[in-house]
Amino acid sequence: DAKTTQPNSMESNEEEPVHLPCNHSTISGTDYIHWYRQLPSQGPEYVIHGLTSNVNNRMASLAIAEDRKSSTLILHRATLRDAAVYYCILRGLYNFNKFYFGSGTKLNVKP
Amino acid sequence: DTEVTQTPKHLVMGMTNKKSLKCEQHMGHRAMYWYKQKAKKPPELMFVYSYEKLSINESVPSRFSPECPNSSLLNLHLHALQPEDSALYLCASSQGQGATYEQYFGPGTRLTVT
Repeated sequence: DAKTTQPNSMESNEEEPVHLPCNHSTISGTDYIHWYRQLPSQGPEYVIHGLTSNVNNRMASLAIAEDRKSSTLILHRATLRDAAVYYCILRGLYNFNKFYFGSGTKLNVKP
Repeated sequence: DTEVTQTPKHLVMGMTNKKSLKCEQHMGHRAMYWYKQKAKKPPELMFVYSYEKLSINESVPSRFSPECPNSSLLNLHLHALQPEDSALYLCASSQGQGATYEQYFGPGTRLTVT
């Protein structure tokens, strides 16, 4: 199964943009890139997903490299409530039953 | 209603006890999942149900027994657990198993085995 690599931790100032990177050099052409986050003492929460094109929703933007070997989750204005562990996950179109979380990036947001 | 509920929130059990965890969703989702999460680690997939049938068992020991009585309910029956089974047990559901579907997670049951 394709794996993801993320920095262990990142820090941001409140109301500034945050770019969370993810490397997935063994991604296949049919793997979707998903992002979830887990706030303290809560279950994971869906953030965004994409295949090839950049994606935007009310929570975040997902920028996918042209060769798809990396992607970046963008939080446009970090708030204290965005402090969480962010997981980048690959889900195969033909092996979609499996859903493996990577090690995740712990985001700390400073006021 | 986009909520997945799990009961109980906390559970303490001895190694000889039998207990069950319960998960419920009313979003009409046809795929449901159990995950195990140890402290400061990512969740690990245990079981997947699709249309009330067991689709995936990630080589989980038989002391964990899942059950899907109907499309809204998912149970995890526990028997003869070990202290290393202490963890947060998360339930999730999704509209389908496809790669484009997002999963909705419950808050989890924190299990302590003594």
